[in-house]
Amino acid sequence: GAGVSQSPRYKVTKRGQDVALRCDPISGHVSLYWYRQALGQGPEFLTYFNYEAQQDKSGLPNDRFSAERPEGSISTLTIQRTEQRDSAMYRCASSAMVNTEAFFGQGTRLTVV
Amino acid sequence: AQTVTQSQPEMSVQEAETVTLSCTYDTSESDYYLFWYKQPPSRQMILVIRQEAYKQQNATENRFSVNFQKAAKSFSLKISDSQLGDAAMYFCAYRRANDMRFGAGTRLTVKP
Repeated sequence: GAGVSQSPRYKVTKRGQDVALRCDPISGHVSLYWYRQALGQGPEFLTYFNYEAQQDKSGLPNDRFSAERPEGSISTLTIQRTEQRDSAMYRCASSAMVNTEAFFGQGTRLTVV
Repeated sequence: AQTVTQSQPEMSVQEAETVTLSCTYDTSESDYYLFWYKQPPSRQMILVIRQEAYKQQNATENRFSVNFQKAAKSFSLKISDSQLGDAAMYFCAYRRANDMRFGAGTRLTVKP
């Protein structure tokens, strides 16, 4: 696609429900990142994929968070048993190669009520 | 993990004037990349400028330029002839391989 696409753009869910956030990177991009961004703060690293391999998941806050990229393209970030503190903007970014600039999607604003 | 520090939570500049946003970072590596991203109220993340650490020449993109001081681990952004559309949050980012970290951001206000 022309840019990084994330869906849904907005998600409101009840506490305790599971949510799945989707990222469709720029076609051919090897690297894919997930970040979480609170209002007025910088993006906080969650996890990184190189092709389909999850090479770094050190930023995932706890085991309720998981991510996959099974075919090296689309990625899904899943949050199980959501809590109010999970409310934030979740951003995906992709880059063509390691060390090149990353392009960001519009983000998914998650609200847990 | 590498750290990126933006010590100015907020900055203000008069339209047509020049402003400099500060960024410092911590790394033991010699080969890495640095970026400035702009985030307007729409909350998009827009790449403004990039700098390769192996290059001594400071990057320039139209009204945007950087002052890269490798030994001091400093990477400031200068915006010349500021325009109302420059008002946004600005994030400094460090990247080496899969490690890409961001600062907390500087909110830039442009006064007409």
